[in-house]
Amino acid sequence: DTEVTQTPKHLVMGMTNKKSLKCEQHMGHRAMYWYKQKAKKPPELMFVYSYEKLSINESVPSRFSPECPNSSLLNLHLHALQPEDSALYLCASSRQLAGVLIGELFFGEGSRLTVL
Amino acid sequence: GQQLNQSPQSMFIQEGEDVSMNCTSSSIFNTWLWYKQDPGEGPVLLIALYKAGELTSNGRLTAQFGITRKDSFLNISASIPSDVGIYFCAGQTGANSKLTFGKGITLSVRP
Repeated sequence: DTEVTQTPKHLVMGMTNKKSLKCEQHMGHRAMYWYKQKAKKPPELMFVYSYEKLSINESVPSRFSPECPNSSLLNLHLHALQPEDSALYLCASSRQLAGVLIGELFFGEGSRLTVL
Repeated sequence: GQQLNQSPQSMFIQEGEDVSMNCTSSSIFNTWLWYKQDPGEGPVLLIALYKAGELTSNGRLTAQFGITRKDSFLNISASIPSDVGIYFCAGQTGANSKLTFGKGITLSVRP
């Protein structure tokens, strides 16, 4: 059982829709991540939140908007997406020691997004 | 940027066999990690390595952090059908750096 919970598991949306992906963890981790993964490829980092503040944005288009309401929750707001944005979106969390990101990531099962 | 090389892309073994896969880089990494991803799931951490030369086991899995800090290997002994999946190596170059992932090796186990 994963300790990082993502909803929804599957999402189909049109290019004009607005939707959100949600992620929750209760491990007390203070770093949370969004990754995008295409089939048979490694995960690609999108955003990192450290102590609820955005610390890394990997030049992600503004149609993806992250939000960290508190230390347990992470959202990814989607608006005006393109078909090429269809992918598995993975949330992850990790510990931080003295402000240092620890590479031991705990991933959720992912949200499979299809953009029509 | 840093790259991690994993090859071949796919491996096919017989149940019960041992398999070894390695991960190499032209850059030095201070942390090496191995993840496994099953179909429809997120990656799961198998082993994390923090010191050059470190050899760590997790059940039938053994991984080593290369002495040069530029490589790592993962060995699976006595493979079983549930070992099927994609194995990613990942590395971290230093404090607060993001993870770099290899392209992954898809393992198939024939019963």
